[in-house]
Amino acid sequence: AQSVAQPEDQVNVAEGNPLTVKCTYSVSGNPYLFWYVQYPNRGLQFLLKYITGDNLVKGSYGFEAEFNKSQTSFHLKKPSALVSDSALYFCAVRDPDSGGYQKVTFGIGTKLQVIP
Amino acid sequence: NAGVTQTPKFQVLKTGQSMTLQCAQDMNHNSMYWYRQDPGMGLRLIYYSASEGTTDKGEVPNGYNVSRLNKREFSLRLESAAPSQTSVYFCASSSGRSSYEQYFGPGTRLTVT
Repeated sequence: AQSVAQPEDQVNVAEGNPLTVKCTYSVSGNPYLFWYVQYPNRGLQFLLKYITGDNLVKGSYGFEAEFNKSQTSFHLKKPSALVSDSALYFCAVRDPDSGGYQKVTFGIGTKLQVIP
Repeated sequence: NAGVTQTPKFQVLKTGQSMTLQCAQDMNHNSMYWYRQDPGMGLRLIYYSASEGTTDKGEVPNGYNVSRLNKREFSLRLESAAPSQTSVYFCASSSGRSSYEQYFGPGTRLTVT
């Protein structure tokens, strides 16, 4: 069974500082990994994905994430946080080797608070 | 290009009432999904439709039914609402081919009293 863990309920960071939102996963095969962002009272919005290739993937709004197979992690990063980055962030995993319907499992979310 | 639209945005039901949540996408996506979002539980898949004409149960299908009316539309029906179905409901779609990311609607906030 596949799973995703986001170990931090909330991450606080000062504006202008680098930010990291952590995600670890468990799948039987090679994972497809995703990050989504949710602003208050809105639906989830796709940020970036890792399917194959370079371990460092770049996405929207200056975010990037690093796939680390040995540590089964896919942490979200940004070099310089903005107050407008404050939102709820979800990591998700899909196992393409699972056969049949390839379910996407979402983490429970990490609230990012950027302090002015 | 509206993306994924959902109606209504808010709804209050009494226990035992029924209602249908509507979802439509204009991205020509094959796959569509219904999720519920509850505090501390992330998103849980209720039903999905891998392609037009097919629907399947997700993690939490009890108390719900769905219809994939055509390629654009995927509705979720609560036949007899219960307080445990108080939640925020999201519809999503994906192309189902080489792009696996999902695109979400704005959500429906449902309260069952």
